[in-house]
Amino acid sequence: AQSVTQPDIHITVSEGASLELRCNYSYGATPYLFWYVQSPGQGLQLLLKYFSGDTLVQGIKGFEAEFKRSQSSFNLRKPSVHWSDAAEYFCAVGELNRDDKIIFGKGTRLHILP
Amino acid sequence: DAGVTQSPTHLIKTRGQQVTLRCSPKSGHDTVSWYQQALGQGPQFIFQYYEEEERQRGNFPDRFSGHQFPNYSSELNVNALLLGDSALYLCASSLRQERSPLHFGNGTRLTVT
Repeated sequence: AQSVTQPDIHITVSEGASLELRCNYSYGATPYLFWYVQSPGQGLQLLLKYFSGDTLVQGIKGFEAEFKRSQSSFNLRKPSVHWSDAAEYFCAVGELNRDDKIIFGKGTRLHILP
Repeated sequence: DAGVTQSPTHLIKTRGQQVTLRCSPKSGHDTVSWYQQALGQGPQFIFQYYEEEERQRGNFPDRFSGHQFPNYSSELNVNALLLGDSALYLCASSLRQERSPLHFGNGTRLTVT
């Protein structure tokens, strides 16, 4: 069965520091992968997606993620975080070529120190 | 270009009651998925509607049912509410043919007392 693991429940970084949020997935077929961000009381906003091709994908707000099939990982990165990046981040996986549900991880809460 | 809209934004119900939540998809989208997000958890898939039929279903009891209308809008119904049904209910729309990513509404916060 497909699953997504985000090993870090909370992460705290200083403003201006680099960020990496980890995501590991378990999937039997070719996955397609997403990162979403959720601000308090809001719905989820898509940051970036990976379907195929270049394994380094660029997203909005200066985020990028790298797909590593050998490690079943899809980690999210940002070179320099801003206070406005404080939010909950969700990694999600779906199955390419199937009209299937998207499975979400439990999320990582990002805190930014001034 | 209107995004996904959900109503109501907040709702308080009593155990045993029934509730209906509504969702209008993003303009041009034809598929609606519903998710339940408990406090501190990631969204959990309830079901997906396309062409007015339930296409996929997650691990939720039959108390959870839905409907999609010809204009692609959708309803989520929950019968015999339990305290554990308290959560943020998120609607997401997509365009099936293009396998587009999910676009989410801001959700309905349901509190069961």
